[in-house]
Amino acid sequence: AQSVTQLDSHVSVSEGTPVLLRCNYSSSYSPSLFWYVQHPNKGLQLLLKYTSAATLVKGINGFEAEFKKSETSFHLTKPSAHMSDAAEYFCVVSRSDYKLSFGAGTTVTVRA
Amino acid sequence: DAGVTQSPTHLIKTRGQQVTLRCSPKSGHDTVSWYQQALGQGPQFIFQYYEEEERQRGNFPDRFSGHQFPNYSSELNVNALLLGDSALYLCASSPPTGAAEAFFGQGTRLTVV
Repeated sequence: AQSVTQLDSHVSVSEGTPVLLRCNYSSSYSPSLFWYVQHPNKGLQLLLKYTSAATLVKGINGFEAEFKKSETSFHLTKPSAHMSDAAEYFCVVSRSDYKLSFGAGTTVTVRA
Repeated sequence: DAGVTQSPTHLIKTRGQQVTLRCSPKSGHDTVSWYQQALGQGPQFIFQYYEEEERQRGNFPDRFSGHQFPNYSSELNVNALLLGDSALYLCASSPPTGAAEAFFGQGTRLTVV
């Protein structure tokens, strides 16, 4: 079985400060891991993906994530938050058969 | 490229009715998956279609059924609607290379009253 746990249901940051969204995964073998973002009343947009290549993955809009097998973690970071980063973020794990398993989500609010 | 398109965007149905949602995959994608996202939760996998067959299924009752057409487009059907079926239904398409390239549509917001 495979699953993800997002450790924070809500994160609030000030504009221009770093963002950290935490995700732990469980999988019986090497997984593919993703972060998706969902803005209000919008579909899901892929931020970045890890598929057993480099452990530090760079995505769109300045986000990056580091795969740490020893800690079974895949935390998402951004050095400087922007107002447009306010959204719901999902950590996702997948096997090779296309099925995606989503975490419960982390709501990010950005204070001016 | 229009990406993944879903129709309708919003829908209101009465308990006990049946509903059909539609999805056109991104060009070059041959696999379509459907997800249900209840308010305040992450999407849950319903089922996946490949080569016009249901390849795998999540933990959803038989009231949820689907179809994939030769042009790879897909339909999700829900019979005997319950209030708890109210959710955002998301379609995702993937290319032959795998889920690492899954793209999502904007979703269909279904409200059951």
